Amino acid sequence: EAQVTQNPRYLITVTGKKLTVTCSQNMNHEYMSWYRQDPGLGLRQIYYSMNVEVTDKGDVPEGYKVSRKEKRNFPLILESPSPNQTSLYFCASSLSLKISTDTQYFGPGTRLTVL
Amino acid sequence: SQQGEEDPQALSIQEGENATMNCSYKTSINNLQWYRQNSGRGLVHLILIRSNEREKHSGRLRVTLDTSKKSSSLLITASRAADTASYFCATRASGGSYIPTFGRGTSLIVHP
Repeated sequence: EAQVTQNPRYLITVTGKKLTVTCSQNMNHEYMSWYRQDPGLGLRQIYYSMNVEVTDKGDVPEGYKVSRKEKRNFPLILESPSPNQTSLYFCASSLSLKISTDTQYFGPGTRLTVL
Repeated sequence: SQQGEEDPQALSIQEGENATMNCSYKTSINNLQWYRQNSGRGLVHLILIRSNEREKHSGRLRVTLDTSKKSSSLLITASRAADTASYFCATRASGGSYIPTFGRGTSLIVHP
């Protein structure tokens, strides 16, 4: 089954404790991205990757890191989480960025709470 | 930066009625997409409409695009309780931007 998976689905952590949220897709998609969703603010893009070893900042990259060592994986790293990073996080992928095929497939989400 | 803005923010209707939600955006676009999100779940793609298209259909969904007014509408006909969800438009700005921009969404409740 074609899908985007994220782990963990739920995470409660404390300020400053490094964490990684994994994202994997099995569709051989080139483009992957991370979003955070907050009430009243909609989805905001954190980072995106156009292919292996190619990443770039989205709208709200501060406090986050990413890597794209393999095509299928795009982990999101919070080196020193803070309470303002409490949010619902989504990973998404799309086949390419061609205008007619940039439909994004979303993972199920990771609800992160930073105390 | 929020490019697309959905209107209304919330919509409550009875099963069988039609639901219309709108999306306005600020700059020229290459395409516009509509997504659905069930509570706390990932977004699911519904329809993509390109800037040179004016209308597209998919089952009970009809999307229109008016580039002169920089707006799009999503019509769900004969709504069902299962259509209860939030609906987002996402715009792909022309000029080479790779960042699709989502609006804040319309929350639709369909009462059985």
